[in-house]
Amino acid sequence: AQSVTQPDIHITVSEGASLELRCNYSYGATPYLFWYVQSPGQGLQLLLKYFSGDTLVQGIKGFEAEFKRSQSSFNLRKPSVHWSDAAEYFCAVTQGGSEKLVFGKGTKLTVNP
Amino acid sequence: NAGVTQTPKFQVLKTGQSMTLQCAQDMNHEYMSWYRQDPGMGLRLIHYSVGAGITDQGEVPNGYNVSRSTTEDFPLRLLSAAPSQTSVYFCASSYQGPNYGYTFGSGTRLTVV
Repeated sequence: AQSVTQPDIHITVSEGASLELRCNYSYGATPYLFWYVQSPGQGLQLLLKYFSGDTLVQGIKGFEAEFKRSQSSFNLRKPSVHWSDAAEYFCAVTQGGSEKLVFGKGTKLTVNP
Repeated sequence: NAGVTQTPKFQVLKTGQSMTLQCAQDMNHEYMSWYRQDPGMGLRLIHYSVGAGITDQGEVPNGYNVSRSTTEDFPLRLLSAAPSQTSVYFCASSYQGPNYGYTFGSGTRLTVV
């Protein structure tokens, strides 16, 4: 069964610092990979997605993620974090043709001024 | 566009009571899903639908029923509420399926006492 692991439950960074959130997946076939963000008390918003092609994908709000098949990873990055980026971030995976999107347990990001 | 609308936003139930969580979307999306979110567990799929008249079970379907009589609406029914069903429930929809990303509602916070 497919699974998603986000090793970091909580990360704290200073405003202006760079950010990398880790995501590892377990899947036999080529996965469809996603990052969603959830602000407090809100639903989830899609940041970016990877299907195929260029392994570095750009998303909204200045985020990017890199797919590394050899490491089964899809890490999310941002060069300079803003206070408004404080939220919970979820990595998710599905397979082509599947109707089931599987989420990781999330990483909560705190941004210090 | 209203997007995905969930009602109510908050609800308290007594053990054994039944209720329906409402979900409506105005984007003509064929795919709709219900997830529950619990602390430290991420989001888990309850039920999903690939179109009017078609539903299927997800990861945690026990205690929940769904139906899809129209494209717009996908209600989730709790038959006999239990404290274990205390959670935040999210409805999501997609035009082409989860491979292309979901639009989420803002959630219903349910407490069963």
